[in-house]
Amino acid sequence: GIQVEQSPPDLILQEGANSTLRCNFSDSVNNLQWFHQNPWGQLINLFYIPSGTKQNGRLSATTVATERYSLLYISSSQTTDSGVYFCAVAYSGNTPLVFGKGTRLSVIA
Amino acid sequence: EADIYQTPRYLVIGTGKKITLECSQTMGHDKMYWYQQDPGMELHLIHYSYGVNSTEKGDLSSESTVSRIRTEHFPLTLESARPSHTSQYLCASSGPLDTDTQYFGPGTRLTVL
Repeated sequence: GIQVEQSPPDLILQEGANSTLRCNFSDSVNNLQWFHQNPWGQLINLFYIPSGTKQNGRLSATTVATERYSLLYISSSQTTDSGVYFCAVAYSGNTPLVFGKGTRLSVIA
Repeated sequence: EADIYQTPRYLVIGTGKKITLECSQTMGHDKMYWYQQDPGMELHLIHYSYGVNSTEKGDLSSESTVSRIRTEHFPLTLESARPSHTSQYLCASSGPLDTDTQYFGPGTRLTVL
């Protein structure tokens, strides 16, 4: 099946710093989503982005489908950005999302 | 914001008990999912459904069962709970299109003594 690798596995930032999280996948996909899991365990969908670039406030994401990777950018990080960021992909509409192992982000004041 | 609910939020139960974790969504989504996750770790898909009377097993071998009798309801049942079932269980749903984003419920944290 499709493989999803996220890097780095862990990241510690000072408040106000910028960061880039990466997601590599092993096959063509028609669905790619980024999620944030807060320290209380709630998973929130950040982006649906199988290709192209999207921005939402301090967060933006870019997927280069032909090269099988996606990047999540966090600018001016805040302590509330802490948690685990997951990338998930699917290669067809009738297959469930496959999740990466996540990047654990800690933002320190 | 998505409307997907899970009950109970926390459950502590003894070994051998039968339990049912409830999941409901009010968005009319066809697709629903159950994941098992130790806090902050990988998500493991245990069951999914793409519509009423349709259920499939996921990647993680599980001793649980599910049913989908109504679109909005997707309960998960453990016939005989064991300490190895201690984990967080997350329910999710998405619409019928490839472009539909997936929404998660708040989770049930299960502890089996």
